[in-house]
Amino acid sequence: AQKITQTQPGMFVQEKEAVTLDCTYDTSDPSYGLFWYKQPSSGEMIFLIYQGSYDQQNATEGRYSLNFQKARKSANLVISASQLGDSAMYFCAMKGDSGAGSYQLTFGKGTKLSVIP
Amino acid sequence: DAGITQSPRHKVTETGTPVTLRCHQTENHRYMYWYRQDPGHGLRLIHYSYGVKDTDKGEVSDGYSVSRSKTEDFLLTLESATSSQTSVYFCAISEKGQGHQPQHFGDGTRLSIL
Repeated sequence: AQKITQTQPGMFVQEKEAVTLDCTYDTSDPSYGLFWYKQPSSGEMIFLIYQGSYDQQNATEGRYSLNFQKARKSANLVISASQLGDSAMYFCAMKGDSGAGSYQLTFGKGTKLSVIP
Repeated sequence: DAGITQSPRHKVTETGTPVTLRCHQTENHRYMYWYRQDPGHGLRLIHYSYGVKDTDKGEVSDGYSVSRSKTEDFLLTLESATSSQTSVYFCAISEKGQGHQPQHFGDGTRLSIL
């Protein structure tokens, strides 16, 4: 079974500052992928960034980077230079490579980020 | 943006009525998924499809059925809707099922069962 834990229900960040959203995970799969999605107030789910469990380097996509610490089972999302448009719910998710759960994304409960002007 | 269209976008119906939600994709992806999103639960997989007429159950499949007669369409049916099925439903697609490809989501359908 896979589990994602996001311990921060809500976060505030000043515009132009960096912010880290926490995500810890648990899985018995030796190989897995970690994903972050953004859900603005309009409701759509937007894929942001992906990290594979065997990737040596942390993933980056523009202002998003994933701080992957495999031994700690954490996959924190870092947003640099926050913008007002970053205000949204952010979900961490994972998917294993084998077994019955390998087709399913397992999601955390999300963190609501509010960017303050 | 991935070409995924969900219809209807909003629906209000009564307990006991049948409801069908449609997901249409223009990406020719093999894999399609239905998730539901409820407060405090994130998204949970209902059913998924790995090809035409090939479907399987997800984590929360009770009370739901699906069908896929064409690559581009994946239907979710609530045979007799209950209030516990009030939720936001998301369709997702991916080129591959297993492995590390991200799933891309439609805009969601907000369903209210009164």
